[in-house]
Amino acid sequence: GPKVLQIPSHQIIDMGQMVTLNCDPVSNHLYFYWYKQILGQQMEFLVNFYNGKVMEKSKLFKDQFSVERPDGSYFTLKIQPTALEDSAVYFCASSPRDWGQNTLYFGAGTRLSVL
Amino acid sequence: AQKVTQTQTSISVMEKTTVTMDCVYETRDSSYFLFWYKQTASGEIVFLIRQDSYKKENATEGHYSLNFQKPKSSIGLIITATQIEDSAVYFCAMREGDSGTYQRFGTGTKLQVVP
Repeated sequence: GPKVLQIPSHQIIDMGQMVTLNCDPVSNHLYFYWYKQILGQQMEFLVNFYNGKVMEKSKLFKDQFSVERPDGSYFTLKIQPTALEDSAVYFCASSPRDWGQNTLYFGAGTRLSVL
Repeated sequence: AQKVTQTQTSISVMEKTTVTMDCVYETRDSSYFLFWYKQTASGEIVFLIRQDSYKKENATEGHYSLNFQKPKSSIGLIITATQIEDSAVYFCAMREGDSGTYQRFGTGTKLQVVP
């Protein structure tokens, strides 16, 4: 089936550094999402994105977070500066349309470890 | 505000039996969509099955089916003839049809299928 690719699979950085997580969505999908998962538990919504703009963001999407998809390339999540509590697995997802019944296609996740 | 609750943290069943995983939700919208996803040990998240709130018939997909009890705001996932490879974490999710722009996930239920 359609694949969402996430690069890298694991990132280790020091607290205070900047990190960029990359997502290559399914080619004809238009809506993109980032979710955060801590310790294999609940998937928490961070942000969604369409047509170059953030549609909605949660309380977890701190001021240090930003997203973009320049010129149809990777959909990225940037954290600057990072904090210890940012350690988690970040999942990118995409869907073809914004219909409520559309399922999400997830990437394999990027495990971020902030030391 | 929407809320999704999975009270079962972990379930263990014998292979080839039937298992039901519970999920209850809260929403003020009259239209909404309910999803079940499976997260394997590798971290991969895949869509399993969906129920649209306006449909009275329970959705079925292969050996997955749903027990949709709208008055109780409940959407149980039923797996029949379980197999070892069904061992995973199962997430329930909801997207509100009128006001929602993303899927909210429950905390997940870890299923272990033993021989």
